[in-house]
Amino acid sequence: EAQVTQNPRYLITVTGKKLTVTCSQNMNHEYMSWYRQDPGLGLRQIYYSMNVEVTDKGDVPEGYKVSRKEKRNFPLILESPSPNQTSLYFCASRGAGTNEKLFFGSGTQLSVL
Amino acid sequence: GQQLNQSPQSMFIQEGEDVSMNCTSSSIFNTWLWYKQDPGEGPVLLIALYKAGELTSNGRLTAQFGITRKDSFLNISASIPSDVGIYFCAGRLGFGNEKLTFGTGTRLTIIP
Repeated sequence: EAQVTQNPRYLITVTGKKLTVTCSQNMNHEYMSWYRQDPGLGLRQIYYSMNVEVTDKGDVPEGYKVSRKEKRNFPLILESPSPNQTSLYFCASRGAGTNEKLFFGSGTQLSVL
Repeated sequence: GQQLNQSPQSMFIQEGEDVSMNCTSSSIFNTWLWYKQDPGEGPVLLIALYKAGELTSNGRLTAQFGITRKDSFLNISASIPSDVGIYFCAGRLGFGNEKLTFGTGTRLTIIP
């Protein structure tokens, strides 16, 4: 089954403790992206990647890092999480064609205390 | 970063009613997309629009790409309980610019 898999689904952590949210897709998609969803603000793009070793900042990249060493994986790294990074995070992927559909994972609810 | 203005922010309707929502931008987009998010899930694409003036349907859903390329509209006819969720518009400049900008969402609730 074609899917985007994020882990963990829920995460509670404390300020300053490094964490990684994993994202993996099995559709051989070139494009992958991370979004955060906050009430009243919709989905805001954090980082995206057009292909392996190619990443770029979205609208709200501060406090986040990403890497794209392999085509299927696109982890989101919070080196020193802060409470304002408490949010619902979504990973998404799509193929290279202009009209390709964007597939989303089921989300990771992160709480930073 | 830019965001799209989506309205209304929330809607409370009765089953069987029609629903209209819209999205506006200060910038031109060459692709407009409409997504639905069910509780506890990621958004799922409903309709994609690629040309100004385009009107596209997906079952009871109809979306339009505004002539100015700065807005889009989504209509749902004869709403049913499974229409409950959050609806997002999204715009993409295209032509090599892959960035997708999402609207703030419209939360649809159906009153029994």
